[in-house]
Parts: sequence; C-alpha cells; structure tokens
Amino acid sequence: NAGVTQTPKFRVLKTGQSMTLLCAQDMNHEYMYWYRQDPGMGLRLIHYSVGEGTTAKGEVPDGYNVSRLKKQNFLLGLESAAPSQTSVYFCASTRSGLAGASEQFFGPGTRLTVL
Amino acid sequence: EDQVTQSPEALRLQEGESSSLNCSYTVSGLRGLFWYRQDPGKGPEFLFTLYSAGEEKEKERLKATLTKKESFLHITAPKPEDSATYLCAVRVVDSSYKLIFGSGTRLLVRP
Repeated sequence: NAGVTQTPKFRVLKTGQSMTLLCAQDMNHEYMYWYRQDPGMGLRLIHYSVGEGTTAKGEVPDGYNVSRLKKQNFLLGLESAAPSQTSVYFCASTRSGLAGASEQFFGPGTRLTVL
Repeated sequence: EDQVTQSPEALRLQEGESSSLNCSYTVSGLRGLFWYRQDPGKGPEFLFTLYSAGEEKEKERLKATLTKKESFLHITAPKPEDSATYLCAVRVVDSSYKLIFGSGTRLLVRP
C-alpha cells in the first residue's frame, strides 16, 4: 500500500496563477483533510471531507476550493494564488470509527511558493 | 474555544539526558489526544493515541501520559535519531474526526 500520496511535491507560482493539488489514498478511508503548515503555527485545517461527494470548511478556507468526486481522491484548488498562500500543504485521511478516535495518516506534503 | 498549547517550543538535550514535552489542552469534549513525530521535509507520523485521564502508552524510548488538562511525552535516554518535531493534537466531540494541533516542540538530541 502506498498510503497517502500527494502531487506535486514542489511548485512555484506567480501571484494570480491557479493550480490544483492532488491527494490520493489507497486505504479506503472515508475522511480526508487538507492542512497547511506555517512556521510556528502548527497544522491548520483548510477543508475536509467526510465522504465521497461531500466537503466542508475548516479553520482557514478562504482562497481555497476542494472537490471529492472519488472516494480515494481529494483535490485542493487555488483559483488566484497570493503570497500569503506560500506554505507546506499536507493531506491526511482516516477511517470512520465506531468508537474511539482513529489516527490520521498524512501524505509527504507539497511545498508551494507564491511569488 | 478549543485550544492546544505545546511547550517548550524547542528543546536541546545531550544523548542520554531524559526529559519531557508538555501538551496542555482546553476543549469542550475530548475524544482522543494524539502524538505525532515529524521529520524535516516529511509528513507527520503517528505515535500514540490516548483516550482517558490516567492512560499511558510506550514505544521504545517514548512514553505518553494523559491527565484531564494535559499530556506529557517523556523521552528516556534519547538518541540523536529521536531528533524531530513532536506534534500534539486533540480530537473534539463532533462527527468530522477533525484534529486540532499544537504548534509542536522541536527536539534536538546531540551525540
């Protein structure tokens, strides 16, 4: 199993350009998440999905859109990139649980720079 | 507001020098406290989940404990390969399984 994979690993954009980050998981997980990580601020939730065809806003959703057309994929889009979106982006997934909390599995990250 | 605070921000230890990392939390309802390890340029790697006060879990040189207000990650006789950022997160009472993360503790173990 590959676990959680992210494409691309690195990207440099100019202000105003658009791009899509792809997250894929092969663990048949229901729940998927997009985070950004900035120095000194930990991981902050951008958007999440509790199942195929569903999405919801997290803590810092402005400037981002997401789609979950297939259970295994979760896409993060930037329509008009801004320098404030320079960050490292992580995707994570977890299975639905009957009781207790299940851990999230993280991808390797995408390092995005917006000039 | 649900909040997670980790201290210290950074910690330097000599090899073999035991210490503890702290994670304090204020949440409306706890459904699990998680510890992750993150190496530079990589995604967080799961270490432990704790569910209730008094619970303890161990893995090699690491031991995690939980009280009603905080969790500790004890590192016994650390080695240089334990150098990493350690992240704490809590899952609160809702159906999204969202995690709220602290900002992490950067640990450096010198040989």
